[in-house]
Amino acid sequence: DTGVSQDPRHKITKRGQNVTFRCDPISEHNRLYWYRQTLGQGPEFLTYFQNEAQLEKSRLLSDRFSAERPKGSFSTLEIQRTEQGDSAMYLCASSVGLAVTNEQFFGPGTRLTVL
Amino acid sequence: TQLLEQSPQFLSIQEGENLTVYCNSSSVFSSLQWYRQEPGEGPVLLVTVVTGGEVKKLKRLTFQFGDARKDSSLHITAAQPGDTGLYLCAGARRSNYKLTFGKGTLLTVNP
Repeated sequence: DTGVSQDPRHKITKRGQNVTFRCDPISEHNRLYWYRQTLGQGPEFLTYFQNEAQLEKSRLLSDRFSAERPKGSFSTLEIQRTEQGDSAMYLCASSVGLAVTNEQFFGPGTRLTVL
Repeated sequence: TQLLEQSPQFLSIQEGENLTVYCNSSSVFSSLQWYRQEPGEGPVLLVTVVTGGEVKKLKRLTFQFGDARKDSSLHITAAQPGDTGLYLCAGARRSNYKLTFGKGTLLTVNP
């Protein structure tokens, strides 16, 4: 399977704990995106990488959130001191970087539940 | 502020019926993508439209991009239970690369 993969698929944690999610994009896709989706809403943009450079961060991404893409391949999203409001589906997407169409392909997501 | 408004929010129909869902915005997008999402899964890309007035067909699905590139529609002919899912539209601009999503239309096709 050569699609976007995410790990873990589900994560249950207690408030105050730190969690880390991993995303492996489609090979040779130089752009990688993180989105968050809550119940009844469409995905909301969090941050975006071109290769290893983080080029944009949403104001939704508080100081407790950090994302990395150290070698321009896989990416990690860490949430420190989780809060119940962080419960959501975290989606990763990648694209090959065509400026006009910007077709993004999504992974299956990581469902986070903060108790 | 929801930049992309999708309607209807919910739609329940019988197998064999036709339907249209709408995606409207006051903003211009360089491209618009339609996705279908099933519970617990990520969105799956159906189509990308780029040119104002463009019409694309994917089997029983017909997608149209408005002339002004502010709105789009998805028409399904002879819906089947396998079409059940959340249909999301998402717009992109050349100035940045993030997608702006609507809230989606939750379609249920009853056998």
